Amino acid sequence: DQQVKQNSPSLSVQEGRISILNCDYTNSMFDYFLWYKKYPAEGPTFLISISSIKDKNEDGRFTVFLNKSAKHLSLHIVPSQPGDSAVYFCAARQYNTDKLIFGTGTRLQVFP
Amino acid sequence: NAGVMQNPRHLVRRRGQEARLRCSPMKGHSHVYWYRQLPEEGLKFMVYLQKENIIDESGMPKERFSAEFPKEGPSILRIQQVVRGDSAAYFCASSPYGQAPNSYEQYFGPGTRLTVT
Repeated sequence: DQQVKQNSPSLSVQEGRISILNCDYTNSMFDYFLWYKKYPAEGPTFLISISSIKDKNEDGRFTVFLNKSAKHLSLHIVPSQPGDSAVYFCAARQYNTDKLIFGTGTRLQVFP
Repeated sequence: NAGVMQNPRHLVRRRGQEARLRCSPMKGHSHVYWYRQLPEEGLKFMVYLQKENIIDESGMPKERFSAEFPKEGPSILRIQQVVRGDSAAYFCASSPYGQAPNSYEQYFGPGTRLTVT
């Protein structure tokens, strides 16, 4: 049972344009959502998070939007840069636990 | 401030041997999590520990796998009698649990890639 889903395995975006990565979830008990970026042969790097009581959080070029009614969140990267090329994982924490449930990832490629 | 450290980075074991993976959390973090990533999959939670205490091991296989986080020294994930299906990347994370405002954020190490031949 995949509680966190990233339905797009890959995304290709031109440098300078916006990258939008999507994530859907099924569990209403998730209280925090996090985005991680991962390069090959490295560990995931924390990017940005959002509490379930908010609908938007922004940090520099990264903005996460949360739509609770649709159980959907998205990560916007503006402007996209070649160094953003990596696999992006969406993760969620269930209320009153401390484990993260990860999606399967979306591979972003930013081309010049 | 050093990040989460894991060693070894790569580990090759023959079937039936034991694998021992080590993790040192970030300075000031007292909570450690272990995750496993199989090829082309996301990370799957295995176990959550604080010093001398296992908090949640709901993701650990019932046999052959164990984890500890002693009072002194790194956390260790131990896999006995490894099989080919244990080949994966094993990631450790730590969190500043209890330290608001972002105590739920987990910071990952570089991982240990276990290959069972």
